[in-house]
Amino acid sequence: GESVGLHLPTLSVQEGDNSIINCAYSNSASDYFIWYKQESGKGPQFIIDIRSNMDKRQGQRVTVLLNKTVKHLSLQIAATQPGDSAVYFCADSGGSNYKLTFGKGTLLTVNP
Amino acid sequence: DAGITQSPRHKVTETGTPVTLRCHQTENHRYMYWYRQDPGHGLRLIHYSYGVKDTDKGEVSDGYSVSRSKTEDFLLTLESATSSQTSVYFCAIGNGDTEAFFGQGTRLTVV
Repeated sequence: GESVGLHLPTLSVQEGDNSIINCAYSNSASDYFIWYKQESGKGPQFIIDIRSNMDKRQGQRVTVLLNKTVKHLSLQIAATQPGDSAVYFCADSGGSNYKLTFGKGTLLTVNP
Repeated sequence: DAGITQSPRHKVTETGTPVTLRCHQTENHRYMYWYRQDPGHGLRLIHYSYGVKDTDKGEVSDGYSVSRSKTEDFLLTLESATSSQTSVYFCAIGNGDTEAFFGQGTRLTVV
């Protein structure tokens, strides 16, 4: 079946550096994408989303880029802080717009 | 946490016993979801609901049933718990065209 996947399971960065987390999706019908952050012992928390009619969207210190040609999604975190340490998931609507399929997650570790 | 409450937060049960997990929302969202999270598998959809008494299966629905008798509550039942159902269960809610909001999770251990 089609699924959302991640290129790297772990990412370690220095405090203050920029982080880039990548995600590949395979469902060409997908038109809505979300990034979630999950801290230990907590539920996933919404970070930012993007629809397929856009290729870039910015939030506070975060930017999501969407490349529909190669079915690739990335999350950029500027000036990474220790509080950004968490598992990051991308999710894909699969064209349904109400049912999300999640990737397996990337563990981001920020070193002081 | 967007008005979502899961109960219980932790449960240990024996193989073969029935278990019911409850998700309660105060946001009046139409859609409610049950996911399980396991190492190496991420979050996988078990069942979801698109209205009162309207439910459908997700990708890992075997061994689980759900019920939604009112907008606020979505129940997940393991009819006869097995060790493979040891997991962390998350409830989520949404309007269907934007992000889903997640609860804090229920850690279930089947011994």
